[in-house]
Amino acid sequence: DAGITQSPRHKVTETGTPVTLRCHQTENHRYMYWYRQDPGHGLRLIHYSYGVKDTDKGEVSDGYSVSRSKTEDFLLTLESATSSQTSVYFCAISAELAGGEQYFGPGTRLTVT
Amino acid sequence: GQNIDQPTEMTATEGAIVQINCTYQTSGFNGLFWYQQHAGEAPTFLSYNVLDGLEEKGRFSSFLSRSKGYSYLLLKELQMKDSASYLCAVERNAGNMLTFGGGTRLMVKP
Repeated sequence: DAGITQSPRHKVTETGTPVTLRCHQTENHRYMYWYRQDPGHGLRLIHYSYGVKDTDKGEVSDGYSVSRSKTEDFLLTLESATSSQTSVYFCAISAELAGGEQYFGPGTRLTVT
Repeated sequence: GQNIDQPTEMTATEGAIVQINCTYQTSGFNGLFWYQQHAGEAPTFLSYNVLDGLEEKGRFSSFLSRSKGYSYLLLKELQMKDSASYLCAVERNAGNMLTFGGGTRLMVKP
């Protein structure tokens, strides 16, 4: 199994509070991704990173920001959480760009009340 | 825009064969992935097709037709542990940017 962890695994927070989710990998993979998974929508890409300090927006990036100051860590921040951001968040890593298998972390279940 | 369609649910019998279809309409198509996801767990890689044709890997095979925007995942000799969701994902622009379909939940019955 690829060495990828996410923290926290579960979180309940209130509307309007900031939340940061962490993805940590021990594989030294260059590419990292944040997805959210909701019933009826499947997995949707929020942000991705092609390397340290190299990040870009995915298809559902509004309300989210990311940072990658080290190869091994990719942080997802909800500046002011809303109930629509209640979801399961998955981080993924990949060693290759085109055709590279993405390895997914165990997920974080976030509930915004 | 992009559109990826796969059936929401399927049911099959242990020991049988099941085919899960995925159709897509997208620009910049590069390849197609299939992932398996058990309930409450992370997705795991099953297959990747970039050329037309069938790729076989044990009990699982995946087919791609680029001209028709169509792929399928074929599962043979179904086992109870194959009960899971199967996610079709299109890779665009050779950048490992994946767009996922909604997933097909497969229930295998004895």
